[in-house]
Amino acid sequence: GAVVSQHPSRVICKSGTSVKIECRSLDFQATTMFWYRQFPKQSLMLMATSNEGSKATYEQGVEKDKFLINHASLTLSTLTVTSAHPEDSSFYICSARGEGVEDTQYFGPGTRLTVL
Amino acid sequence: AQKITQTQPGMFVQEKEAVTLDCTYDTSDPSYGLFWYKQPSSGEMIFLIYQGSYDQQNATEGRYSLNFQKARKSANLVISASQLGDSAMYFCAMRDSGYSTLTFGKGTMLLVSP
Repeated sequence: GAVVSQHPSRVICKSGTSVKIECRSLDFQATTMFWYRQFPKQSLMLMATSNEGSKATYEQGVEKDKFLINHASLTLSTLTVTSAHPEDSSFYICSARGEGVEDTQYFGPGTRLTVL
Repeated sequence: AQKITQTQPGMFVQEKEAVTLDCTYDTSDPSYGLFWYKQPSSGEMIFLIYQGSYDQQNATEGRYSLNFQKARKSANLVISASQLGDSAMYFCAMRDSGYSTLTFGKGTMLLVSP
């Protein structure tokens, strides 16, 4: 299957700092990328959908000013958690969907964010 | 609104036996896709199998098969000849034609014992 990378895999930061997470599709062009959040022992919750070159579409309840998403190219999307607080600690996973790879979403390995 | 239901929070199976993980869905869209993903303790989501609503045959991928019963709106995952490495969380997901997003079930934790 298609390969999606995510960086960093793990980050620990102090409360109030901003953290940037990168999601890259390595062997295909991703017209659409998705960002999910997963709390322990729970399912994935979609945060936002980003299309290359346009503004992200956020799900209800997700603060767009706190979770900044940029999809500057067909292979890269970034999620920036601004002014992170302990309640933002979670597992963040991106996925990518592109033409030529059926309709399947391929997921990155995830980023575990811990805010102290 | 889409809905995915996985009623089994946990399942146990012995190595080399087959196991079925249940998934039911609810949608009013005639065109949709059903997915199964595996999430081991490392956290990555691994795509296993896909079934389109118009596919005539049940999808199969190696030891994975999808028992698709459209009238019952069920899409159960069957894993044959379980292996210890199959121990993981399994998520059923659906996408309908109007959206590119996936709706996930709550997942089933599968434990394979020797």
